[in-house]
Amino acid sequence: QKEVEQNSGPLSVPEGAIASLNCTYSDRVSQSFFWYRQYSGKSPELIMSIYSNGDKEDGRFTAQLNKASQYVSLLIRDSQPSDSATYLCAVRKSEAGTALIFGKGTTLSVSS
Amino acid sequence: DVKVTQSSRYLVKRTGEKVFLECVQDMDHENMFWYRQDPGLGLRLIYFSYDVKMKEKGDIPEGYSVSREKKERFSLILESASTNQTSMYLCASGSDSPYEQYFGPGTRLTVT
Repeated sequence: QKEVEQNSGPLSVPEGAIASLNCTYSDRVSQSFFWYRQYSGKSPELIMSIYSNGDKEDGRFTAQLNKASQYVSLLIRDSQPSDSATYLCAVRKSEAGTALIFGKGTTLSVSS
Repeated sequence: DVKVTQSSRYLVKRTGEKVFLECVQDMDHENMFWYRQDPGLGLRLIYFSYDVKMKEKGDIPEGYSVSREKKERFSLILESASTNQTSMYLCASGSDSPYEQYFGPGTRLTVT
C-alpha cells in the first residue's frame, strides 16, 4: 500500500462549482497533514494545514480530516479557472521527525 | 513571508560533471530538504537536514550528497552527474513545529 494516495485525475469541474480532492494515508499515527497547490512549471505552494479531526476553513478552501478513516480532503468552493493546478497531499512521517511524504497529486481543471 | 531561493532556475551539465545546487532560506528554520520531482513519480526526498552539519538520508540518496555549514544554506551535490539525474530539484525549509514546509522556485537540471 502506498503511504499517501491520491487520484491522479484530471478532475474537471465547471466554474463556480465545488471541487473535492481526496487523499488517504497508511500510517495510522500520522498527526500533521498538508495541502499544496502546484501550477504547471512552478514549485508547490502551501495552502492548508490540518492537525485535528474535523474541518478547517480558510476562505474558499476547507480541509477535512478523519483520522479513524485515515482520510483527508480539500474542498474548493466557487471554483475559479485560476484554481486549475495539481494539488498535492502531504503527511508528516511520524517516525522521522519533520520529513513529509507527498502523494503524487490530483490535477484539477476548472472550465469557464 | 518565507523566502526560499535557489541558485539557478535552469542548469545544463555534462555527464560526469560535479554539480552544486544551492538553497538559501531567510526564516531561521531548523530544517531544510532537497527533493526531486519527476513526471509520474511525484516528489521524492533526497536528503534533509535538521541542524547545521546534520543530515539524514531520504528515500533516494544514491548519487547525491549534501552540505549544511550555515543554518540558512543547504547545498545538494551531484558527485558525478548522470543522465538519470535530469529532473526538477526542489529545496524546502521548515520549522520543527508546525512542520510546514516552504519551497523554493526549483532548479530544472538537464544532464547531457
